[in-house]
Amino acid sequence: GAVVSQHPSRVICKSGTSVKIECRSLDFQATTMFWYRQFPKQSLMLMATSNEGSKATYEQGVEKDKFLINHASLTLSTLTVTSAHPEDSSFYICSARGPRGANYGYTFGSGTRLTVV
Amino acid sequence: GENVEQHPSTLSVQEGDSAVIKCTYSDSASNYFPWYKQELGKRPQLIIDIRSNVGEKKDQRIAVTLNKTAKHFSLHITETQPEDSAVYFCAALKAAGNKLTFGGGTRVLVKP
Repeated sequence: GAVVSQHPSRVICKSGTSVKIECRSLDFQATTMFWYRQFPKQSLMLMATSNEGSKATYEQGVEKDKFLINHASLTLSTLTVTSAHPEDSSFYICSARGPRGANYGYTFGSGTRLTVV
Repeated sequence: GENVEQHPSTLSVQEGDSAVIKCTYSDSASNYFPWYKQELGKRPQLIIDIRSNVGEKKDQRIAVTLNKTAKHFSLHITETQPEDSAVYFCAALKAAGNKLTFGGGTRVLVKP
């Protein structure tokens, strides 16, 4: 159990366009999902915490208007990179945690490699 | 907030030898400490975890130890194999919190 699906796995877009990344919990309900960004050879940097039915909580330094997060259901959170620029190129990865009390740890999606040209 | 330091950043070992990665954390309220293995371009995979009410946990060739007083925990891999080559991340979670704080990662290379 506890499978998280993330799509797309790779995307190339032009500067100025927007890209949407989906994160789905397939066999459990995820009240909270997390979005990370990972630069080459570096650790995972938490961007924001996505809470079902409420606004996301962004980490310091992360532009909420640029990285739009929507968590409209207990199984789906989306990250939209708006007006993408080459410096937004990175590996984006989501993580989901089930409801408190369930024996679920933090499960990661497979990641999305975004390249902005 | 929580701060997790991880050492070393790179580790090269001969196949069959042991590998040890150490992490320290700053917040004494942290009570859950998972370890993840990440292969190039792939998702982090949980390999072992430990809670603050336990001092040691073992799963085949992998073990984790926790010293709450000193606020550090370590990953031990015995009889290393080439397939153990990957980046390993430690993390810490506060009991009342939701966010995992990750260490900087250790790139492990097991030489045949």
